[in-house]
Amino acid sequence: DAGVIQSPRHEVTEMGQEVTLRCKPISGHNSLFWYRQTMMRGLELLIYFNNNVPIDDSGMPEDRFSAKMPNASFSTLKIQPSEPRDSAVYFCASTPRGPDTQYFGPGTRLTVL
Amino acid sequence: RKEVEQDPGPFNVPEGATVAFNCTYSNSASQSFFWYRQDCRKEPKLLMSVYSSGNEDGRFTAQLNRASQYISLLIRDSKLSDSATYLCVVNQNNNDMRFGAGTRLTVKP
Repeated sequence: DAGVIQSPRHEVTEMGQEVTLRCKPISGHNSLFWYRQTMMRGLELLIYFNNNVPIDDSGMPEDRFSAKMPNASFSTLKIQPSEPRDSAVYFCASTPRGPDTQYFGPGTRLTVL
Repeated sequence: RKEVEQDPGPFNVPEGATVAFNCTYSNSASQSFFWYRQDCRKEPKLLMSVYSSGNEDGRFTAQLNRASQYISLLIRDSKLSDSATYLCVVNQNNNDMRFGAGTRLTVKP
């Protein structure tokens, strides 16, 4: 099993640019989570999906952030326009049906200049 | 009040020491509980689930007290390789997972 796949692994962009982060969950998992981690705030849940349907997006910081899951094998997190304070590591995680152990991807390290 | 609160740390202990981490949670309806480990610049990985009766995995023991909304992790005979950040995780409801800020452990020779 390849595990959760995220791309890109690193992203450096300038303020105001659009950023798209991608995630491929483990095949057969029915829940997908997006997290953001910073030194100041720790690991924060942004949004999660069950069976491709967004369940709770209360953690999404503001309207600049949006997430989609068009099918069971792919999700995106988009930031438009990006700001320096969005700099963080963004993790995607998936959970199998039934047991709720989360499997994390390697993360995308985002730097907004 | 934060949903999940942990000892702030950091903990610096010598090899062979026993160290304990504590965690409290605010949502009394929370369903399941976990400890995750995160190494520097890596993703979190499941260390162990926490069961009501308490459970042990080698040198690691986890305890849950639902009445006090309290979770603990005990590491015995600590090794250099145990150095990491330990995250307390609470499943509030239907996979609404909340992470504590983490406790950093450094085990020194």
